[in-house]
Amino acid sequence: DAKTTQPPSMDCAEGRAANLPCNHSTISGNEYVYWYRQIHSQGPQYIIHGLKNNETNEMASLIITEDRKSSTLILPHATLRDTAVYYCIVRGGSSNDYKLSFGAGTTVTVRA
Amino acid sequence: DAGVTQSPTHLIKTRGQHVTLRCSPISGHKSVSWYQQVLGQGPQFIFQYYEKEERGRGNFPDRFSARQFPNYSSELNVNALLLGDSALYLCASGAGSTDTQYFGPGTRLTVL
Repeated sequence: DAKTTQPPSMDCAEGRAANLPCNHSTISGNEYVYWYRQIHSQGPQYIIHGLKNNETNEMASLIITEDRKSSTLILPHATLRDTAVYYCIVRGGSSNDYKLSFGAGTTVTVRA
Repeated sequence: DAGVTQSPTHLIKTRGQHVTLRCSPISGHKSVSWYQQVLGQGPQFIFQYYEKEERGRGNFPDRFSARQFPNYSSELNVNALLLGDSALYLCASGAGSTDTQYFGPGTRLTVL
């Protein structure tokens, strides 16, 4: 029941910005876009989430299109430690929409 | 601040046995969720508990059960273990108006 579409894999160069796309064309008005990443055999790490405005924190920036049908996660200066599977997840903001539905994600490989 | 903690880190059981996995949420978090991650797949939602009440259950058999204690820690129990129950079991705790979930490192269960 994943509601998002992500490319299966992408490479990026160390020190460059990594732009990870996500399509969520069926998103509804009260649903948030969440990004997590998972480094091999570790628990998923929360990165950022947003509703309709662009968001930035110490890890990344999230750019959501005006129609909210797609978004881009930006890692401004990728390092080798950013190599991971990145998951884009759509989730409601109410207490009734409690679960995260993980798809296959994007496997990001940062190369020196 | 301490993150979500889980115990044990690794566990080996044989078919037919039962297992109890434990999770301590981040201080102040009142919701705890459990996920199963089979090798090569994204995490799948099992349960969420909020204020000691079950708020949601994923598509898992009745062999899986959980509870949340007054201190908000949680246990996941699995009875009559099958080989297919071998997986990484993840616990997440949530906070904030959108109940953003933060994951622990997981318990690796191997069923022989």
